[in-house]
Amino acid sequence: EVQLVQSGAEVKKPGESLKISCKGSGYSFTSYWIGWVRQMPGKGLEWMGIIYPGDSDTRYSPSFQGQVTISADKSISTAYLQWSSLKASDTAMYYCARQSGTGTTAPGYWGQGTLVTVSS
Amino acid sequence: QTVVTQEPSLTVSPGGTVTLTCASSTGAVTSGYYPNWFQQKPGQAPRALIYSTSNKHSWTPARFSGSLLGGKAALTLSGVQPEDEAEYYCLLYYGGPWVFGGGTKLTVL
Repeated sequence: EVQLVQSGAEVKKPGESLKISCKGSGYSFTSYWIGWVRQMPGKGLEWMGIIYPGDSDTRYSPSFQGQVTISADKSISTAYLQWSSLKASDTAMYYCARQSGTGTTAPGYWGQGTLVTVSS
Repeated sequence: QTVVTQEPSLTVSPGGTVTLTCASSTGAVTSGYYPNWFQQKPGQAPRALIYSTSNKHSWTPARFSGSLLGGKAALTLSGVQPEDEAEYYCLLYYGGPWVFGGGTKLTVL
């Protein structure tokens, strides 16, 4: 069974750094694209970017390029989303999602979400 | 900035049929945009329903179907159940990045 388990909720101050994680199990971690989706409070879904853990090929949405870094450690089947300097506007739920394996990189399997709150 | 547009809200009666649509600011949506559809209920992670226009995942109920309609991607629910009340999002491929639509809140009343 494909499972994506995300790290727990975070409360941070503006300017702090943060790295959240998403551990995949039940499949070959290096063989599927895995990405991140943002959902700000009361708002819709936003596709942020994806990474192929097999070779670390990474693609970003233009809206998020330079704002976040997506990475993966294939030795522990874990993908990451990190910020170097958080802003209040980064407050949101963040979902990781794995490619469904249906011929495109579209997400099919989702993690439970990580709530990030940035407040002074 | 590419914009993907969905109806903000729709209402359907139990047992009825409803069609949600997904339009692209770049022009007609074709199969090359690989339209995907997702369902999200309050407090839950999204769930994938349809991929590549009309293909269902193994867990997708038979009453959900996807198509292209009048230059848009479409999701049709036939024989709507009360548990189908949710937010529905489409996702389109733009040759690298994907872009979600703004979502349709479906009320079953």
